Amino acid sequence: EPEVTQTPSHQVTQMGQEVILRCVPISNHLYFYWYRQILGQKVEFLVSFYNNEISEKSEIFDDQFSVERPDGSNFTLKIRSTKLEDSAMYFCASSEGRLAGPKVGDEQFFGPGTRLTVL
Amino acid sequence: AQSVTQLGSHVSVSEGALVLLRCNYSSSVPPYLFWYVQYPNQGLQLLLKYTTGATLVKGINGFEAEFKKSETSFHLTKPSAHMSDAAEYFCAVTPGAAGNKLTFGGGTRVLVKP
Repeated sequence: EPEVTQTPSHQVTQMGQEVILRCVPISNHLYFYWYRQILGQKVEFLVSFYNNEISEKSEIFDDQFSVERPDGSNFTLKIRSTKLEDSAMYFCASSEGRLAGPKVGDEQFFGPGTRLTVL
Repeated sequence: AQSVTQLGSHVSVSEGALVLLRCNYSSSVPPYLFWYVQYPNQGLQLLLKYTTGATLVKGINGFEAEFKKSETSFHLTKPSAHMSDAAEYFCAVTPGAAGNKLTFGGGTRVLVKP
């Protein structure tokens, strides 16, 4: 069964360093998402991406964050200068969508997450 | 803006007993509602969803949920708990036609006692 994969499973970095979290969405999906969950808090939406551009982003997704689909299979989240408060589990998700746009109510398939620890 | 409240961060049930997980939402537009389950060291997996039509929705693993607009609720139930149901459960909402961003509740961790 197709699944979303994420690498690495754990990432430890120093404050101020850049990190790139990688995701491989399900191959025929058109919509991609990043969510994060700070320990003990709710899962929060960061950004959605379609047709090589951001379709929606949250207030959390400020200038230190960026997303990219560098090739036909990977979807990355870059944090330019990490802060202590960026420590969280980051989930990638993908949904099927249509060429004309999103399918409302589409199931989002989630990866297992990357646990980011900023020291 | 949308929000989701899950009553009870932890629920303990005996094997074979009813599982009831409560979810209430707030939405200014007709919502689409979801329940996801997360097993240890895995991603979130969709249990069931409500978009339109029948308000009682059946999902995988014997779970079902009922959309009650008057109560702004979408509670999840399973008649008979199994040890394999031990996991964390998340209720989520999207604004329907206005987009697919999921807004999650805080999650409920279910412990099943033998």
